[in-house]
Amino acid sequence: NAGVTQTPKFQVLKTGQSMTLQCAQDMNHNSMYWYRQDPGMGLRLIYYSASEGTTDKGEVPNGYNVSRLNKREFSLRLESAAPSQTSVYFCASIMGSRYYEQYFGPGTRLTVT
Amino acid sequence: QQQVKQSPQSLIVQKGGISIINCAYENTAFDYFPWYQQFPGKGPALLIAIRPDVSEKKEGRFTISFNKSAKQFSLHIMDSQPGDSATYFCAARTLSNFGNEKLTFGTGTRLTIIP
Repeated sequence: NAGVTQTPKFQVLKTGQSMTLQCAQDMNHNSMYWYRQDPGMGLRLIYYSASEGTTDKGEVPNGYNVSRLNKREFSLRLESAAPSQTSVYFCASIMGSRYYEQYFGPGTRLTVT
Repeated sequence: QQQVKQSPQSLIVQKGGISIINCAYENTAFDYFPWYQQFPGKGPALLIAIRPDVSEKKEGRFTISFNKSAKQFSLHIMDSQPGDSATYFCAARTLSNFGNEKLTFGTGTRLTIIP
């Protein structure tokens, strides 16, 4: 039982390049989330998916797209990376709204030059 | 717009002392208040949480105090140990009409316990 896994762990992009961050969970959770973590700003929600086939914007969705490929996988895509997207990205999942703990992955550290 | 305000930004406490981190919120729709602990290079992990119908919750050396009327809650770490050195985030949950959960996080407190 690996919990929440994220790939890659580190990535360096040039401005304008695109990439997809992958997230998978093996806990049969319904809801999945993407956050970014920046110094002094805590964790901010980018997008979330309450169930397979649905996605919704969070607090900072601009410049990102997501895909809930199936119940296990939730990917985050940067179509044209900008230096302001340099951050650590975390994926999280939770069984459902009656449950209380979000489980986080280990993060992806992204640098855009 | 920061809906959950956390202080202090950083905190240094001697081993054996009490660490206190404070959070305040405005949105009365929040219905659950967890604290997450994060070690360097790792994702956050749930430490302890409280619902607003109780004023205090204790788990081992960790206690949450909750003041609903003041819209404030705090984390107390008793007998702080070097292994407690980490970044702590408070959070608050909202549920949409469809039952979708969203957490709003504070900005984090970097806690250092010195010998």
